[in-house]
Amino acid sequence: DIQMTQSPSTLSASVGDRVIITCRASQSIGSGLAWYQQKPGKAPKLLIYKASSLESGVPLRFSGSGSGTEFTLTISSLQPDDFATYYCQYYSIVSRTFGQGTKVEIK
Amino acid sequence: EVQELLESGGGLVQPGGSLRLSCAASGFTFSSYAMTWVRQAPGKGLEWVSSIDNSGGYRFFADPVKGRFAISRDNSQSILFLQMNSLRDEDTAVYYCAKIGIQNSNPDYWGQGTLVTVSS
Repeated sequence: DIQMTQSPSTLSASVGDRVIITCRASQSIGSGLAWYQQKPGKAPKLLIYKASSLESGVPLRFSGSGSGTEFTLTISSLQPDDFATYYCQYYSIVSRTFGQGTKVEIK
Repeated sequence: EVQELLESGGGLVQPGGSLRLSCAASGFTFSSYAMTWVRQAPGKGLEWVSSIDNSGGYRFFADPVKGRFAISRDNSQSILFLQMNSLRDEDTAVYYCAKIGIQNSNPDYWGQGTLVTVSS
């Protein structure tokens, strides 16, 4: 089974900071990676799919990159609405695996 | 039209018991989309549970629920189901249903979730 590992687990940042979250797959997954944002008590929201494609309606400050086993989610200038937990997710036709999450906190 | 997914059927059940979750869809052509269930244990991360293609012909399960859970759909009524048998303490979670986008191949619209608590 493919395992997804995110780092860091928690990140403290200020409004306006550039934030980078890393996700590593236990084996090559090509570009089969998505990123989600989740706020407390709410359902997750899809941000990025196919490693770097921005979902419709998602602000341009969010971007994704990587392929194979190493992926990143970048928030170019952190906004107050961005304090949340972020999950990467491997996907294929038959399976999906989430990373453990990265909580972005106010510094 | 506004898309909506409304889960129901959660509750308290004893270990070894069964529960059937439903997810009523509206605002989109349900029969055109694959659907999925994702769960989240209290204070924990997201865990994929099961997916079904748009026709119901292909069904996939995560290893922890394989052989115990069944996924199905009624396209005439726009309802997704998750039949959960032989429930364990570790199945306690909020269960979300979600629509899988055609272009993005990922859950792009989610319900608000229904809580399942397995406890004696």
